[in-house]
Amino acid sequence: DGGITQSPKYLFRKEGQNVTLSCEQNLNHDAMYWYRQDPGQGLRLIYYSQIVNDFQKGDIAEGYSVSREKKESFPLTVTSAQKNPTAFYLCASQSYNEQFFGPGTRLTVL
Amino acid sequence: GNSVTQMEGPVTLSEEAFLTINCTYTATGYPSLFWYVQYPGEGLQLLLKATKADDKGSNKGFEATYRKETTSFHLEKGSVQVSDSAVYFCALKAYTGNQFYFGTGTSLTVIP
Repeated sequence: DGGITQSPKYLFRKEGQNVTLSCEQNLNHDAMYWYRQDPGQGLRLIYYSQIVNDFQKGDIAEGYSVSREKKESFPLTVTSAQKNPTAFYLCASQSYNEQFFGPGTRLTVL
Repeated sequence: GNSVTQMEGPVTLSEEAFLTINCTYTATGYPSLFWYVQYPGEGLQLLLKATKADDKGSNKGFEATYRKETTSFHLEKGSVQVSDSAVYFCALKAYTGNQFYFGTGTSLTVIP
């Protein structure tokens, strides 16, 4: 089955620690995106990548980093510089005119 | 710039009631328009889309018509079910560029 997987589904982090969220797709899409979703709010774009080895900052990139070494993979690192990282994180890949979403990772900072 | 505005929730309806969720947009050129649905604890799923003016997208009893004159893409369903309880997002993709722009979402709860 084609799709997007995100792992883990739930993640707990202590303050001051970096943590990496995984996103893998087997849809052969060039473009991939990371969004953050907070309760009662819409999706805010963190980073996106249109092609391997290239990525761009979105609206709220501060405190986050990404890499795109393979077409299938677009991991997101939440660094200790992110002041309020507790949120639901969504990864998406894009064909020409549709975005496909993974199931999300809920990150909680303890 | 590009943006989407959708009606604020939450919306609570009785089963079999008529649903309308308003969505208006601002965009340069001729965007494509989308409705996505998010069930609790899950990612977003495409519900329907329309790519040009006067197109009607439909799926699972939901419909939305791309109205260029009013820059709107309102979501409707004639008879909602408890299983339709979810958060609904209106979105646009600009004519140029790849980025999607999402509304803030509207939470719908359908009670038996």
